[in-house]
Amino acid sequence: AQSVTQLDSHVSVSEGTPVLLRCNYSSSYSPSLFWYVQHPNKGLQLLLKYTSAATLVKGINGFEAEFKKSETSFHLTKPSAHMSDAAEYFCVVSSSGGYNKLIFGAGTRLAVHP
Amino acid sequence: GAVVSQHPSRVICKSGTSVKIECRSLDFQATTMFWYRQFPKKSLMLMATSNEGSKATYEQGVEKDKFLINHASLTLSTLTVTSAHPEDSSFYICSARAGTINNEQFFGPGTRLTVL
Repeated sequence: AQSVTQLDSHVSVSEGTPVLLRCNYSSSYSPSLFWYVQHPNKGLQLLLKYTSAATLVKGINGFEAEFKKSETSFHLTKPSAHMSDAAEYFCVVSSSGGYNKLIFGAGTRLAVHP
Repeated sequence: GAVVSQHPSRVICKSGTSVKIECRSLDFQATTMFWYRQFPKKSLMLMATSNEGSKATYEQGVEKDKFLINHASLTLSTLTVTSAHPEDSSFYICSARAGTINNEQFFGPGTRLTVL
């Protein structure tokens, strides 16, 4: 079975400092992995996806994630946080590849302080 | 990206009544729609998958007679919570996908259901 574990329920950073949101996955085969962001009163938005191509994936708004099979990790990073990055972030694995059944992590709430 | 809408955004109802939530794909045809439930400060849990014109596939533990799903057209799916109770209060989110599993799922903004 597939699962994801987001290691931090809350992360707080200062504006302009780096962001690291941690995610570990469990999958019996080569997984498809995603990061989604949820802003209040808005639909979930796809930040980036990994589908067995390049292990370093670049997404929107300056976010990127690196797939590390040896560590079963898919951490999300951004070099410099912006106030508008404050939101809930979900690490997601697909149960059978592609955008089939998506299994969500518990979420990490990112707070950005001036 | 493609746009998915949900209506209503918020609904409050009395215990024992039924509530219908609509999910629409506004600018694409959604062959598959998904319904999720999100508890406060928790993750999204997939409730069911529906393909246009066929019966929905429910996840384990989800009562199909309580959560009725209809996907009658390529742009509309509805979730009806029947005989709602306070424990059904939650945030319900739909997503829609065109074509195959390699096509992205697009998410609606969600519906906040409160059952008194």
